[in-house]
Amino acid sequence: DTEVTQTPKHLVMGMTNKKSLKCEQHMGHRAMYWYKQKAKKPPELMFVYSYEKLSINESVPSRFSPECPNSSLLNLHLHALQPEDSALYLCASTDRGRRVDGYTFGSGTRLTVV
Amino acid sequence: AQKVTQAQTEISVVEKEDVTLDCVYETRDTTYYLFWYKQPPSGELVFLIRRNSFDEQNEISGRYSWNFQKSTSSFNFTITASQVVDSAVYFCALLNTGKLIFGQGTTLQVKP
Repeated sequence: DTEVTQTPKHLVMGMTNKKSLKCEQHMGHRAMYWYKQKAKKPPELMFVYSYEKLSINESVPSRFSPECPNSSLLNLHLHALQPEDSALYLCASTDRGRRVDGYTFGSGTRLTVV
Repeated sequence: AQKVTQAQTEISVVEKEDVTLDCVYETRDTTYYLFWYKQPPSGELVFLIRRNSFDEQNEISGRYSWNFQKSTSSFNFTITASQVVDSAVYFCALLNTGKLIFGQGTTLQVKP
C-alpha cells in the first residue's frame, strides 16, 4: 500500500461547527504532515509529526488542533473556523530516515467554511 | 534564505509542442534536494523526480526530462510532445531542514 488516504474529500462547515479531517497511511512512515493550500497558491506547511510527536507547528491558530493517535493515523480537529480558512488541506507522509526520497501526498480535503 | 522561484505563472501550448518549466532556487546549504510535483485538478500532489545537490546528471523519463545546473541554481523541467493529460499545476520544491519549500507553481494548459 503506497497511498495516503484522506477523508472526507469535501467538507462544508459553519463557523460554529466542530469537525475533523482524517489522514491514514500504511507505508510505515514515521513522519506525517499537514499542509494548507489556498487556490492558485503553493501548499503551506502547518504541522509536522515525527514518531507520533508534534515536532513543528508553523504558528498555526489554535482553532486547528492536530492529533496523531498512532503511527498510521493523523487527524486535524477544526473548531470555530473562519471563512478564510477555506482551502485544500493536504496530508503527507515520509519515511523519517529517508525524507530525501520525497513526500507522499494524499488527494486532500476541500474545506469550505460558511 | 531558502527560496524557490517559478517565474512562469501560466503556460499554454498546443498538443505535441515541447514545453519547459523553469525553476530557480536559493540555498546556502551544500547538500540539498530538489523535487518536482504535479498537481492535477483532483488535488493530489504527484511526485515526479528528486535530485540531490551532488548529482548534476540530467534525467529523462519517457517524455519528461530535467536539467539541473548548480552554476545557475536552476532545475528546469521539459515535457516533450505534450499531451492534454499533462495539463496541471507543476511545483518545484526544495527540501531544507525537514521542510519542503515550494515554488509558486506553474499552471500548464495543453490544448488539443
